[in-house]
Amino acid sequence: QVQLVQSGAEVKKPGASVKVSCQTSGYTFTDYSLHWVRQAPGRGLEWVGWINPNSGVTTSAQKFQGRVSMTWDTSIKTAYLELSSLQFDDTAIYYCARLSGYDYWGQGTLVSVSS
Amino acid sequence: QSALTQPASVSGSPGQSITISCAGTNSDIGSYKYISWYQQHPGKAPKLIIYEVSYRPSGVSNRFSASKSGNTASLTISGVQAEDEADYYCSSYTTSSTVPYVFGTGTKVIVL
Repeated sequence: QVQLVQSGAEVKKPGASVKVSCQTSGYTFTDYSLHWVRQAPGRGLEWVGWINPNSGVTTSAQKFQGRVSMTWDTSIKTAYLELSSLQFDDTAIYYCARLSGYDYWGQGTLVSVSS
Repeated sequence: QSALTQPASVSGSPGQSITISCAGTNSDIGSYKYISWYQQHPGKAPKLIIYEVSYRPSGVSNRFSASKSGNTASLTISGVQAEDEADYYCSSYTTSSTVPYVFGTGTKVIVL
């Protein structure tokens, strides 16, 4: 069965960077794009970006451009989201998700930005 | 590319039917069949309850149904129950190369 398992919670100071991983299983990694979505406390779902492991293309929402890096390692079927220059309002749960019709989501990774 | 528009809240008494709308444009809902609906209880991850406009994943109650007309998608909960009180989000792919996916603004379902 398809599974997406994310890394654990992180606490970072403003200005720092964070890297979240998403290990996939149960399907051919390069057959599907993988999305990153975040949800700040008390807020709605926000699309962050996506990767296409087959084509090598990545796209991120304009508000994150310049400080987001989405990478992957096909050999271990794992995707990574790195966000730099963290600000307090980057505090959120970050999800990876395969949004392919029948959608699969990771369990989420809480990133807290605190001084 | 803006978020899809949902009502902030919808309420109903147990047993009633309620409908949540999700308004988009011909660049998102109007162009794709990949429209999903999620249910989210407090502190939990979003749960897929509808995919590809109107299909229910295995295990999801048949009280949930959905459809699309033009640029608007709709989710109906027939015979709403207390356990259905949660936040609901729609989502869709878009034709934009810079923002290829959007979520709805979210709707709080309140069971009276």
